[in-house]
Amino acid sequence: NAGVTQTPKFRILKIGQSMTLQCTQDMNHNYMYWYRQDPGMGLKLIYYSVGAGITDKGEVPNGYNVSRSTTEDFPLRLELAAPSQTSVYFCASSYSPGRDSGNTIYFGEGSWLTVV
Amino acid sequence: GNSVTQMEGPVTLSEEAFLTINCTYTATGYPSLFWYVQYPGEGLQLLLKATKADDKGSNKGFEATYRKETTSFHLEKGSVQVSDSAVYFCALYNYGQNFVFGPGTRLSVLP
Repeated sequence: NAGVTQTPKFRILKIGQSMTLQCTQDMNHNYMYWYRQDPGMGLKLIYYSVGAGITDKGEVPNGYNVSRSTTEDFPLRLELAAPSQTSVYFCASSYSPGRDSGNTIYFGEGSWLTVV
Repeated sequence: GNSVTQMEGPVTLSEEAFLTINCTYTATGYPSLFWYVQYPGEGLQLLLKATKADDKGSNKGFEATYRKETTSFHLEKGSVQVSDSAVYFCALYNYGQNFVFGPGTRLSVLP
């Protein structure tokens, strides 16, 4: 019963380095999301995807890239890391509901990223 | 557009006290409403939800009622425990749009 799995859990990057945060879900959800949460703050949507091959920008996409080649996987790429990208990153997924049904979003455990 | 407003924290209570965390929303149509909880060092977990007006969501002693007339979804618990210390997020989902989360309310329960 894995749900949404993110790796790595912790990472320290130097300014200018690049890395990929991995995310996979085993619930056959169409929708997947990446959020960031700065200390003491709420969630900000970085990118989302409504299905394989389809991605779209959220509120704060600059400095990030995503891809969605399969239903299960939704990696987040940081290019040229900057101190402003120090944050906790959450991957999430949800199904594609009918109009009259409620939806629920499921979160991974988070990836703590520090850029120094 | 859709938005969620929560009472500002932090909220500090003694064990066994009554808890209310206010949440109001702005949305078109008939959104679903949620409370998520984030324990220290963890991701967000669904606490409870309600999908239509007058529905009551409940879980682990927490309750919230979907009030369309006041556009509110206040979280309540009759007797909090130290283990309830966490950050609580109110959220809404409207069909065809993204989830919208409130800023979160930090709750600290003292023994």
